[in-house]
Amino acid sequence: NAGVTQTPKFQVLKTGQSMTLQCAQDMNHNSMYWYRQDPGMGLRLIYYSASEGTTDKGEVPNGYNVSRLNKREFSLRLESAAPSQTSVYFCASLQALSYNEQFFGPGTRLTVL
Amino acid sequence: DAKTTQPTSMDCAEGRAANLPCNHSTISGNEYVYWYRQIHSQGPQYIIHGLKNNETNEMASLIITEDRKSSTLILPHATLRDTAVYYCIVRVAGTGGSYIPTFGRGTSLIVHP
Repeated sequence: NAGVTQTPKFQVLKTGQSMTLQCAQDMNHNSMYWYRQDPGMGLRLIYYSASEGTTDKGEVPNGYNVSRLNKREFSLRLESAAPSQTSVYFCASLQALSYNEQFFGPGTRLTVL
Repeated sequence: DAKTTQPTSMDCAEGRAANLPCNHSTISGNEYVYWYRQIHSQGPQYIIHGLKNNETNEMASLIITEDRKSSTLILPHATLRDTAVYYCIVRVAGTGGSYIPTFGRGTSLIVHP
């Protein structure tokens, strides 16, 4: 049982390049989330997927797109990276309709030059 | 979901109890209090949650005031490994897709020798 996994762990991009961050969970959770965390700041929600087949914007969605590929996988895409998107990105999952906790992945550290 | 207020930082001597307060004065009757911690840029990790009764597990104790407007997370014998940022959030458990977890800046706890 790996929990929530994210790839890659580190990435350096040039301004204007695109990339996709991958996230997968093996806990059969309904809901999945993407957050970003800038130095000294809390987590800010980018997008979330309440259930397979649905996605919704969070607090800071501009410059990102997401795909809920299936129940296990939720990817985050940067179409044209900007230096302001330099951050640590965390994926999380939650079993909706339960009292259980949210589980987080280890994060992807992204630098945009 | 109700907002929370936490001190920006605290410190504690190793071996002593660390008491981390959280104010959630606008909490609703069906909202739970959850605590997470984040150790040095790792993904946040669940610690404990409760509704109105005090709770204890192998990691910590959670004390919720009778009016539920505030709570305290207690680490009974803090170690250097407990140095982390601690987040207090409130949410309605079991809301399915309508739940949007929101994390503030949390409390940075430093445990010193």
